[in-house]
Amino acid sequence: AQKITQTQPGMFVQEKEAVTLDCTYDTSDPSYGLFWYKQPSSGEMIFLIYQGSYDQQNATEGRYSLNFQKARKSANLVISASQLGDSAMYFCALREEANSKLTFGKGITLSVRP
Amino acid sequence: DARVTQTPRHKVTEMGQEVTMRCQPILGHNTVFWYRQTMMQGLELLAYFRNRAPLDDSGMPKDRFSAEMPDATLATLKIQPSEPRDSAVYFCASAADSVNTEAFFGQGTRLTVV
Repeated sequence: AQKITQTQPGMFVQEKEAVTLDCTYDTSDPSYGLFWYKQPSSGEMIFLIYQGSYDQQNATEGRYSLNFQKARKSANLVISASQLGDSAMYFCALREEANSKLTFGKGITLSVRP
Repeated sequence: DARVTQTPRHKVTEMGQEVTMRCQPILGHNTVFWYRQTMMQGLELLAYFRNRAPLDDSGMPKDRFSAEMPDATLATLKIQPSEPRDSAVYFCASAADSVNTEAFFGQGTRLTVV
């Protein structure tokens, strides 16, 4: 089974609008972390936000927030007030405590329209 | 400014040649990951180490790929012999030993096998 599923092939959003990027995960480990990374066209991997499995509150980091629904095993990234510089590939990742493995989804391409 | 350093940044080689990619993890990080990124497969985990011991290399073609950590400051990924289908970007990432901390990525090695 896929550990991380990102099914949206590509997303478009108007500048200044909010956008949600979907991520579902699969693990039986009660302790895990969920991460989102951004990869612009330059190719670097940039860490955006983290959510722990025991966290009661949804994580927020500036314009990024994570809609964490543990029972549904989803960890969607919300980007508010989109900017042209947000155009990039976005990856969701799962790190499980039992084995320290860090597994990535296939990524979602986001394009911000002016 | 702590960062993961990968060398070389670019490598063009002929089919059949040996390729060695190197990674210097961030000092104090005890977990090191190797990923391969292609358009078709996304970010595949090839192998990872914890405290220099290999934990899982099931993502690697065993007949031609090998990964080692000769010491805490160096991780290597070797392909011998290389094939055109190995053309990809190879990323190294390092992390502290906790699911609560993000992994830091190197700039990647862009490998082209002709």
